[in-house]
Amino acid sequence: DVKVTQSSRYLVKRTGEKVFLECVQDMDHENMFWYRQDPGLGLRLIYFSYDVKMKEKGDIPEGYSVSREKKERFSLILESASTNQTSMYLCAASGANTEAFFGQGTRLTVV
Amino acid sequence: DQQVKQNSPSLSVQEGRISILNCDYTNSMFDYFLWYKKYPAEGPTFLISISSIKDKNEDGRFTVFLNKSAKHLSLHIVPSQPGDSAVYFCAGRTSGTYKYIFGTGTRLKVLA
Repeated sequence: DVKVTQSSRYLVKRTGEKVFLECVQDMDHENMFWYRQDPGLGLRLIYFSYDVKMKEKGDIPEGYSVSREKKERFSLILESASTNQTSMYLCAASGANTEAFFGQGTRLTVV
Repeated sequence: DQQVKQNSPSLSVQEGRISILNCDYTNSMFDYFLWYKKYPAEGPTFLISISSIKDKNEDGRFTVFLNKSAKHLSLHIVPSQPGDSAVYFCAGRTSGTYKYIFGTGTRLKVLA
């Protein structure tokens, strides 16, 4: 099974801080994703990467950026954290013909 | 614009009965559909999928039905068990991009 590991389960950050969420996958999959989950809104795609250094905006990219310097690692960056970015963040990876495999999630609270 | 919609935010079912979770989509470019199950404080786990060229796929207690003309899919769980209590998300994947778009989720509660 693909393992997708997110660096933190819980994070508390202050408004205005730069925040890095890290995600690593161990199965050499081309595609990696960042979603956020909010009550009543489901899973919304923030950014998507289909190859090293390649990225595509999802539905809600504002306030976020991403970095994919190596195939196995996909980082989500909050340039200046705000309270409306308090959420559950989920990283996923998939191959060309596989389902998406998710990490365990990072619960981020911005105070 | 919500491309994938799950109009029932919650559903309660007695243990042993059938659970039917519904999902509607608007994007005709979806070529693959998936259902995921999510427990609190965990990542979603894959349950079952269906290609757009099929109308049914079965795996144990789980069956997914796809009606392309209606742009509708449903997940049937028979028999329902208390351990099935979770949030269920459906997702569509756009052909050629491998981008997964998820719905808003349905919270299923199976009552013992």
